[in-house]
Amino acid sequence: EAQVTQNPRYLITVTGKKLTVTCSQNMNHEYMSWYRQDPGLGLRQIYYSMNVEVTDKGDVPEGYKVSRKEKRNFPLILESPSPNQTSLYFCASRPARQETQYFGPGTRLLVL
Amino acid sequence: GENVEQHPSTLSVQEGDSAVIKCTYSDSASNYFPWYKQELGKRPQLIIDIRSNVGEKKDQRIAVTLNKTAKHFSLHITETQPEDSAVYFCAASSLSGGTSYGKLTFGQGTILTVHP
Repeated sequence: EAQVTQNPRYLITVTGKKLTVTCSQNMNHEYMSWYRQDPGLGLRQIYYSMNVEVTDKGDVPEGYKVSRKEKRNFPLILESPSPNQTSLYFCASRPARQETQYFGPGTRLLVL
Repeated sequence: GENVEQHPSTLSVQEGDSAVIKCTYSDSASNYFPWYKQELGKRPQLIIDIRSNVGEKKDQRIAVTLNKTAKHFSLHITETQPEDSAVYFCAASSLSGGTSYGKLTFGQGTILTVHP
């Protein structure tokens, strides 16, 4: 089944404890992206990647890192999480020449 | 960069009525405008999209209109049903350049409630 997966789905952590949220897609998509969703603000792009080893900042990249070593994986790294990073995170992917994005199931993060 | 404004933030209608959600965008290079529906606890799902070379697109009870000159686009849902209750997001993107190239910029979302 074609899909985007994220792990973990729920995570409670403490300030400063490094964490990684994984994202994987099995559709051979070139483009992958991370968003955070906060009430009243919609979905805001954190980072995106046009292809392997090509990443760029989105609208709210501060406090996040990403890597794209393989085409199928696009992990989101929080080196030192803070409470203002408590949010719902979505990974998405799409083929290079198509606009339709496919979203993962979401990861709900709580930073205490 | 691109900025997308969406109104209203909440919309309450009676079953069978029509619902209209409006969005404006800032980057004239944007040429792709999708609408997503997000049910409680679920991921956003694409329900309809429109490209800049088209002024209107329909899919059963859902339609989207685009006014490129005014830089606004709207979602129209007719004969609303309780299962239409969800959060709706508009978005704008460009695959051909501009500040929104390769990026999808979302509006703030509209919570639609359809009362039986």
